[in-house]
Amino acid sequence: EAEVAQSPRYKITEKSQAVAFWCDPISGHATLYWYRQILGQGPELLVQFQDESVVDDSQLPKDRFSAERLKGVDSTLKIQPAELGDSAMYLCASSFGGKNTEAFFGQGTRLTVV
Amino acid sequence: AQSVAQPEDQVNVAEGNPLTVKCTYSVSGNPYLFWYVQYPNRGLQFLLKYITGDNLVKGSYGFEAEFNKSQTSFHLKKPSALVSDSALYFCAVCNTGNQFYFGTGTSLTVIP
Repeated sequence: EAEVAQSPRYKITEKSQAVAFWCDPISGHATLYWYRQILGQGPELLVQFQDESVVDDSQLPKDRFSAERLKGVDSTLKIQPAELGDSAMYLCASSFGGKNTEAFFGQGTRLTVV
Repeated sequence: AQSVAQPEDQVNVAEGNPLTVKCTYSVSGNPYLFWYVQYPNRGLQFLLKYITGDNLVKGSYGFEAEFNKSQTSFHLKKPSALVSDSALYFCAVCNTGNQFYFGTGTSLTVIP
């Protein structure tokens, strides 16, 4: 069964350092999402791509976060510099992008900033 | 604006008993509703969705959900709970831009 791949699974970094997460969506999925999930809360959308274009990044803290999907396939989310409050699970998801199709999630990257 | 609410942080149920996890929604226009399950340190797994049609939706692992327009609810149900159903459950609504908005989650514990 096809899956959304994310790496790394776990990342510990010191504050003020740069960190990057990678996501490979299910083949053929045009829509890709990055979500942040703080412990005990529901996922919150950071950025949504349709192919290589950003559809919505209104909740992305652009002073320190950036996301790209250059060829419309895999994607990278970067944080620079990391802050203690960035500690969370970062989830990538993808979907065909048709109206109201379900999103499939990767296993996530657990980030701890120390 | 779209949103969902999960009024219970925690639900406990005995193994073999029916379970219900509650969700209410607030949307403008037609509601597109989803349930996901999350196991510890894992991503979310899709369980089921309501787009249109029959109010009772059947999904994975024996789960079903009942859409109730008058009560603006979309409760998740299972006739007989298993210990392995213990997990975090999220209700979500999808807007016309295909963006998913999640509730705060309900932790389900099935007691042997």
